[in-house]
Amino acid sequence: DTGVSQDPRHKITKRGQNVTFRCDPISEHNRLYWYRQTLGQGPEFLTYFQNEAQLEKSRLLSDRFSAERPKGSFSTLEIQRTEQGDSAMYLCASSLVSVDIQYFGAGTRLSVL
Amino acid sequence: LAKTTQPISMDSYEGQEVNITCSHNNIATNDYITWYQQFPSQGPRFIIQGYKTKVTNEVASLFIPADRKSSTLSLPRVSLSDTAVYYCLVVTNQGGKLIFGQGTELSVKP
Repeated sequence: DTGVSQDPRHKITKRGQNVTFRCDPISEHNRLYWYRQTLGQGPEFLTYFQNEAQLEKSRLLSDRFSAERPKGSFSTLEIQRTEQGDSAMYLCASSLVSVDIQYFGAGTRLSVL
Repeated sequence: LAKTTQPISMDSYEGQEVNITCSHNNIATNDYITWYQQFPSQGPRFIIQGYKTKVTNEVASLFIPADRKSSTLSLPRVSLSDTAVYYCLVVTNQGGKLIFGQGTELSVKP
C-alpha cells in the first residue's frame, strides 16, 4: 500500500491556461474525493466519486472545473482558463465505502500568475 | 452535518498533556466525531474517531460526554513533532464529504 499519490506536487501556470492534476487512490478504495485548501483555512470539499460515478459536486466547482474517474481507479481534476483565485492546494483523498476514514495525498499546490 | 467550534490556537510545552475541546451542539444520532491532524504542505491525517464515552488508540484519546454536544481530544506528553493543525469533524455513518472548520493550530515549544 503506497498511499494516495498526487501528481504534480507543484504547478505554476499563467492566468488563462488549462491545468490538469492526477490522483491515484489506495488501490482497493472505491471512493475518491477532491478538496481545495487555501492558506489558513481548512480543506473545502469539491467533489467525490464512488467507483466511476460522480456522486456529489460542490457549488465551488464552477463550470471551469471538471473531474473524471474513467475506470474507477485514478482521477483527474482539470481547471480551464485558470484565474488567480484558483491558486490553492488541491487535495485528493480515498476511502472504502464501508469505512468512513479518508486517506489524503500530499496535494498539488497550484500557483496562478 | 453539524457545525463544529474549536479554539483557533493553543500553545504547549514538550511533555505536557494537551486537551483540545470541540463543540458540536447539533450533532445527529447517526453522526460520529472524527479528528484529523495536518502538518504544513501535507494532507490531513486521520487520528481518532468515536461515537460516545472514551476511545483510545496509540496516538490519542477522545472523550465524549453523554449528551455528545462536545468532545475533547487528548494528546499525552506532546513533543515538538505534534505541532500541527487539528481538525474536529462530525461525520455521518454513511461517509461522504468531510466539512472542515479552521481547526486548532497547536504549537509545542521546547
